[in-house]
Amino acid sequence: AQSVTQLGSHVSVSEGALVLLRCNYSSSVPPYLFWYVQYPNQGLQLLLKYTSAATLVKGINGFEAEFKKSETSFHLTKPSAHMSDAAEYFCAVKGLGSSASKIIFGSGTRLSIRP
Amino acid sequence: EPEVTQTPSHQVTQMGQEVILRCVPISNHLYFYWYRQILGQKVEFLVSFYNNEISEKSEIFDDQFSVERPDGSNFTLKIRSTKLEDSAMYFCASRGDGDGNQPQHFGDGTRLSIL
Repeated sequence: AQSVTQLGSHVSVSEGALVLLRCNYSSSVPPYLFWYVQYPNQGLQLLLKYTSAATLVKGINGFEAEFKKSETSFHLTKPSAHMSDAAEYFCAVKGLGSSASKIIFGSGTRLSIRP
Repeated sequence: EPEVTQTPSHQVTQMGQEVILRCVPISNHLYFYWYRQILGQKVEFLVSFYNNEISEKSEIFDDQFSVERPDGSNFTLKIRSTKLEDSAMYFCASRGDGDGNQPQHFGDGTRLSIL
């Protein structure tokens, strides 16, 4: 079965510091992976997606993620944190079986930015 | 950019009452989904819908739940007899046709509070 595990329910970094949010996946086939962001009282916004075209994926707002098969990881990074990056971040994987392809979410990581 | 819209943003209902959550997916999308997020927990898949029928449903989606696409634009989730544990944020999502690896686009959610 497809699953993702996010390490760290809460990450706090200083403004301007590197952001690293960790995600590991489990999949019986080459996975299709996503990162979504949820700002307070808002819905889920797609940050980026990996669909096997390139291992380094660039997304919106300066975020990127690297797919590493050997480590079964898909960590999200941003070189320099901004106060507006404070939000909940969800790693997700496409489900198998149905063509409708549900998304399976990780438990989320809350990112806080210190001034 | 086209958006998925959900109404109402907040619904308060007495336990045992029926509730209908409404969604307008992106107009040219063909796959529709409902997810829920209980406060402080991960986003969970409920049901997917394609070609006027349910494609897949989770174990959460029991006989108390139903979905409908009553016309060409709306997609609804009905809970027949609400329970306290139905209190959650409910997200609608839609996806275009073709490549099953295209991302799902989410609405801002409906917060359902059962009293």
